[in-house]
Amino acid sequence: GEDVEQSLFLSVREGDSSVINCTYTDSSSTYLYWYKQEPGAGLQLLTYIFSNMDMKQDQRLTVLLNKKDKHLSLRIADTQTGDSAIYFCAESINYGQNFVFGPGTRLSVLP
Amino acid sequence: EAGVAQSPRYKIIEKRQSVAFWCNPISGHATLYWYQQILGQGPKLLIQFQNNGVVDDSQLPKDRFSAERLKGVDSTLKIQPAKLEDSAVYLCASSLDQGGPTDTQYFGPGTRLTVL
Repeated sequence: GEDVEQSLFLSVREGDSSVINCTYTDSSSTYLYWYKQEPGAGLQLLTYIFSNMDMKQDQRLTVLLNKKDKHLSLRIADTQTGDSAIYFCAESINYGQNFVFGPGTRLSVLP
Repeated sequence: EAGVAQSPRYKIIEKRQSVAFWCNPISGHATLYWYQQILGQGPKLLIQFQNNGVVDDSQLPKDRFSAERLKGVDSTLKIQPAKLEDSAVYLCASSLDQGGPTDTQYFGPGTRLTVL
């Protein structure tokens, strides 16, 4: 079955870069996603990457995909206190269906 | 544009009782999703509707959970009877199109259920 794993906690200093890592098991994943969840709020899609790409950049966010190792990462440049949240990695099998989420990484940004 | 609305925001019940959650998606969105998020875990897809038809309910515990989306707009999720392990946040999401990979899901704030 599908499985998505993430480290549960990450602390960084304001202004530093954050790197959140994710591994997945299903090689048939077609899209991989990063979502952000702030306290008491629903999930917000940050970015996604198609499985035939290895990098995608969107302002302060950089997504790297290593298909061979089934490893996905999200880099946040110049991390701000407003970036403190839980970040979920998710994979989609079967072109946008069968979403599977990881357990989430809680990012704490220290002043 | 109004977001995805859910009610109630919080619900406390005793085990073996019944409970229902309501979701109103963004106007015009064809696809609606219900997720269960247990504390400390990522959301787990329970059911996905496209208009008023079910696309995927493979992870819905059908012996106690049911969901409907009459008229292809709002939706209700019911648990009958509830168990302690059903304590979770129930998230509703909607997307504009047919649930394709780049069809962004917009999430509601969720309903936090506590089963005592």
